[in-house]
Amino acid sequence: GAGVSQSPSNKVTEKGKDVELRCDPISGHTALYWYRQSLGQGLEFLIYFQGNSAPDKSGLPSDRFSAERTGGSVSTLTIQRTQQEDSAVYLCASTRTGSSGANVLTFGAGSRLTVL
Amino acid sequence: AQSVTQLDSQVPVFEEAPVELRCNYSSSVSVYLFWYVQYPNQGLQLLLKYLSGSTLVESINGFEAEFNKSQTSFHLRKPSVHISDTAEYFCAVSPPTSGTYKYIFGTGTRLKVLA
Repeated sequence: GAGVSQSPSNKVTEKGKDVELRCDPISGHTALYWYRQSLGQGLEFLIYFQGNSAPDKSGLPSDRFSAERTGGSVSTLTIQRTQQEDSAVYLCASTRTGSSGANVLTFGAGSRLTVL
Repeated sequence: AQSVTQLDSQVPVFEEAPVELRCNYSSSVSVYLFWYVQYPNQGLQLLLKYLSGSTLVESINGFEAEFNKSQTSFHLRKPSVHISDTAEYFCAVSPPTSGTYKYIFGTGTRLKVLA
């Protein structure tokens, strides 16, 4: 697509429920990132996918968080048993790799998660 | 490891006044430097970047940033701001290797331009 698409744009859920957030990166972008944006916390790195390599999951805050990327394209971030502290905007970004000029992240508009 | 510090969480400024948003970084290796802007209810978008060469880089909407290696800074400036510049600005660094990842972002500076 022309840009990075994220859905849903807004999600309100009850504590303890599971949620899935979806990211559709720009066609041809081999690298995909998930960040979490909390008020006053900046952007917190969660996970990184690069082609067929094993993802870097070092930023996932707990084992309730997981992500997958199917076919090297669409990615889904899953949060199980949501907690109120999970409330944030979840941002997805993608980029081409292979040359210095390609190191620019293209972000989606984000998915705002509110856990009641 | 790299880190980015944006000391100012909020910067109010009157329209047509100059502004400087500060960014300092820490890294044991050379890095690429970026400023991203997030307008209300939108995703982040690239404002400008420093990869190599001239230490002064400019954006199309009048912002500029200067890479200062000795002070490990990459401050963002604009000589005369507009109401439309109201947004949150994020400084970021990444190590300059192919397939870089873990772009490190600062906590952001919210610029509010007042009429």
